Amino acid sequence: QKEVEQNSGPLSVPEGAIASLNCTYSDRVSQSFFWYRQYSGKSPELIMSIYSNGDKEDGRFTAQLNKASQYVSLLIRDSQPSDSATYLCAVTFSDDYQLIWGAGTKLIIKP
Amino acid sequence: DVKVTQSSRYLVKRTGEKVFLECVQDMDHENMFWYRQDPGLGLRLIYFSYDVKMKEKGDIPEGYSVSREKKERFSLILESASTNQTSMYLCASSVTGVINYGYTFGSGTRLTVV
Repeated sequence: QKEVEQNSGPLSVPEGAIASLNCTYSDRVSQSFFWYRQYSGKSPELIMSIYSNGDKEDGRFTAQLNKASQYVSLLIRDSQPSDSATYLCAVTFSDDYQLIWGAGTKLIIKP
Repeated sequence: DVKVTQSSRYLVKRTGEKVFLECVQDMDHENMFWYRQDPGLGLRLIYFSYDVKMKEKGDIPEGYSVSREKKERFSLILESASTNQTSMYLCASSVTGVINYGYTFGSGTRLTVV
């Protein structure tokens, strides 16, 4: 069973702090990893993709991948109230184009 | 930018009606997907298609069917709408290639069955 797991939260972080979101997955043979942001009542939007071990930075966002430990994380620096949303982790496994989704972590940034 | 367009943002239908949800993408993507999303249940895959005329069942296909007569259009059909099909329906598309770039989602259709 291919699975992607996230803590549902909510995760509450003060404005200006670093928000750290984590995701673990079940299959070692995984290729592509994605973080989506979803505001309430809206559709998911892609914010980060990562394909190899290590860190990938894009503005205030950093994705971290550790394939040996089977986890991928998303760091949001200088958190803003507008970052309050549900963050979905998605993974592709080697034999499929499909994204397998985590249930999402609700992030609340407190002013 | 890839655009995925869902025909209706909000829809109210009666129990027993046949309901059509339309999805069109404009970037020649091979793959298209239909999900429903309910509070606490996450994204659940209903049907997907990797090519024209092709369709595959997802995790929850019961009560639904799909049609993909043209590459850009993927339609979800509720054969006889029921109240337990009240949900947010999301269409997504993606390109086939060596690198997976993820999905692009439409804006969603909030369907209420009364």
